[in-house]
Amino acid sequence: KNQVEQSPQSLIILEGKNCTLQCNYTVSPFSNLRWYKQDTGRGPVSLTIMTFSENTKSNGRYTATLDADTKQSSLHITASQLSDSASYICVVSDRGSTLGRLYFGRGTQLTVWP
Amino acid sequence: EADIYQTPRYLVIGTGKKITLECSQTMGHDKMYWYQQDPGMELHLIHYSYGVNSTEKGDLSSESTVSRIRTEHFPLTLESARPSHTSQYLCASSVSLTPGLAGGDTQYFGPGTRLTVL
Repeated sequence: KNQVEQSPQSLIILEGKNCTLQCNYTVSPFSNLRWYKQDTGRGPVSLTIMTFSENTKSNGRYTATLDADTKQSSLHITASQLSDSASYICVVSDRGSTLGRLYFGRGTQLTVWP
Repeated sequence: EADIYQTPRYLVIGTGKKITLECSQTMGHDKMYWYQQDPGMELHLIHYSYGVNSTEKGDLSSESTVSRIRTEHFPLTLESARPSHTSQYLCASSVSLTPGLAGGDTQYFGPGTRLTVL
């Protein structure tokens, strides 16, 4: 069973609107959580990283939140643009080894329409 | 944009062929990784390397092999390709943000190779 679940699976919004993507995880012991953006046919690009003690992190129009107690994270996109159309992947790392195993969600496919 | 490159970007080959997917990075990163990703599915780690002459198998069993003779180069080889190997293969490299913090690395991904085996 995947230890990182994302919702919704896909989302369509109009340009200029805001949206929020969700990530629930069961990974333990928790080390950090990242949100990646993956454009079609490209590799993922890191947007934010949050450790246990952080509950919000912003990167331009992207704001990620983390509730380590409920093991939930969200990615809020403000004033969406056509270039925001991509898959957004939640990645959680554990503290079980030096490598820090990564657990990937399946992503939320966001489409922004003009 | 990260300086990590993969070639070819797309490859269509017949069953039984030997193939090598190339991955190079110019950032001097010690750690490198290979992931397999099917459409709509999560990335699965198939190989990783801590440095030169270090290679390990990942979480997902794979018939591929890797080598790490130079820091910047991490090729993946399939000795005999099969249709079940059809997938997207992503290479990544990383450097530790916080030494000793497990999972502290931010991985930088290449553009991927889309492999189709007929």
